[in-house]
Amino acid sequence: DIQMTQSPSSLSASVGDKVTITCRASQDISNYLAWFQQKPGKAPKSLIYAASSLQSGVPSKFSGSGSGTHFTLTISSLQPEDSAIYYCQHYNSYPYTFGQGTKLEIK
Amino acid sequence: QVQLVQSGAEVKKAGASVKVSCKASGYSFTGYSIHWVRQAPGQGLEWMGLINPSSESKTYAQKFQGRVTMTRDTSTSTVYMELNSLRSEDTAVYYCAREVGYCISSGCSTSGPFDPWGQGTPVTVSS
Repeated sequence: DIQMTQSPSSLSASVGDKVTITCRASQDISNYLAWFQQKPGKAPKSLIYAASSLQSGVPSKFSGSGSGTHFTLTISSLQPEDSAIYYCQHYNSYPYTFGQGTKLEIK
Repeated sequence: QVQLVQSGAEVKKAGASVKVSCKASGYSFTGYSIHWVRQAPGQGLEWMGLINPSSESKTYAQKFQGRVTMTRDTSTSTVYMELNSLRSEDTAVYYCAREVGYCISSGCSTSGPFDPWGQGTPVTVSS
C-alpha cells in the first residue's frame, strides 16, 4: 500500500498569511493526488485534483503543486473560515489512502 | 444538483451488522463509482472500498475483506454498504463519495477525486 505522510500535523497562522502544507507519497504516484478540506461535523470537500487543478467553485487562494512523491497545498490570504483539517489522498492505485491530516488554526 | 444522501444514525451491539445506504441524484448513477470512507471519532479518513454501479464490480480494502459487502440498486440509484461482526473499533462516521474522472492538458483519467460526499452516517457500536 502507498503511504501518504503530511506535515505539519498542525499549524497556526494569522489572518492574511500564506501557509503551505506538504504531502509525501511512499512511492511515485505521478499527479494522482487530491486535497480535501474538512470542517468540524462536516463531510470533506474536494479542493484540488491532479495535484494542481482547482475543483470547480473553489477560490483561487487554494493552489496545489508537485508530482511523483512530493506535493504541496498552499493557501493564501488566510481568513477565519479557512480554519479546518486538510487531507491529501492519492488515487494512483487501490487502496486509495489519505494523509493523516493537517489542522489549520487561524489566530 | 449532484447529491448523495445517506441513511440516518445507527446504534448496534457488538457482533451485529449494519447496512448504510447512499442515494444518488442529479447525475447518471451508473456513470461513476461510489467509494466508502470512514472516520473514527477524532481520527483521520480511512478508505474502505468502492463499487462500480454499472458493472457491479467491487474492490475492498484488505482490512475489511470478508466483513464488508457493497451492493447497488439501479432502480433507486442507491448504493449500500454492509459491515458485519461489528466491534467497538467500528464506531465511526461512514461516508459515501462519488469518484470523478477528468481530462486535463496532459490527458484523461478515469480515476479521480471524490466529489461530492454524502453527509455521513454515524454508527455507534456498543458492547
